[in-house]
Amino acid sequence: AQSVSQHNHHVILSEAASLELGCNYSYGGTVNLFWYVQYPGQHLQLLLKYFSGDPLVKGIKGFEAEFIKSKFSFNLRKPSVQWSDTAEYFCAVNHGGSQGNLIFGKGTKLSVKP
Amino acid sequence: GAGVSQSPSNKVTEKGKDVELRCDPISGHTALYWYRQSLGQGLEFLIYFQGNSAPDKSGLPSDRFSAERTGGSVSTLTIQRTQQEDSAVYLCASSSQTGLGPYNEQFFGPGTRLTVL
Repeated sequence: AQSVSQHNHHVILSEAASLELGCNYSYGGTVNLFWYVQYPGQHLQLLLKYFSGDPLVKGIKGFEAEFIKSKFSFNLRKPSVQWSDTAEYFCAVNHGGSQGNLIFGKGTKLSVKP
Repeated sequence: GAGVSQSPSNKVTEKGKDVELRCDPISGHTALYWYRQSLGQGLEFLIYFQGNSAPDKSGLPSDRFSAERTGGSVSTLTIQRTQQEDSAVYLCASSSQTGLGPYNEQFFGPGTRLTVL
């Protein structure tokens, strides 16, 4: 069965620090990859997604993620975090068809100190 | 509507009672999903509806859980004889998947927080 691992449960950073959140998945075939964010009291929303092509994808609010197929990884990065980035971040994978549910990691809570 | 809506936003029930949770997807979205978010467990897939096809029920944890989608729009998730371990936030999502082309984004609702006493 597919699974998604997020290595960090809770990350605490100061403003302007760089961020990298790890995500590894277990499926060996073609995959679609996603990062979702849940700000306090808000819905889950999509940060970025990878289907094919350039393995470095850029999302909203200055986030980016790199798909490394050989490492089964899709780490999320941001060069300089802001207090408003405080949220929970979820990595998700779908096998490379066009339908079907997402498999989510357990999430990483990011706290940014002003 | 503008987004996925769910009701109620909070539900407190006693162990053994049945509960119904409702989801209104974005108008025109053919695919609808239910997930469960338990503390420290991330999001767990429950069931998936796509158009008029038979639903994918592979994520339902037990036969106490069932869901239906009437008229290809509104969906109801029913949990019978609730147990304390059913306490979680139940999230609904919809997307405009048609089975062709690239994977389409799932839009999530605000969730229903279920507490079983």
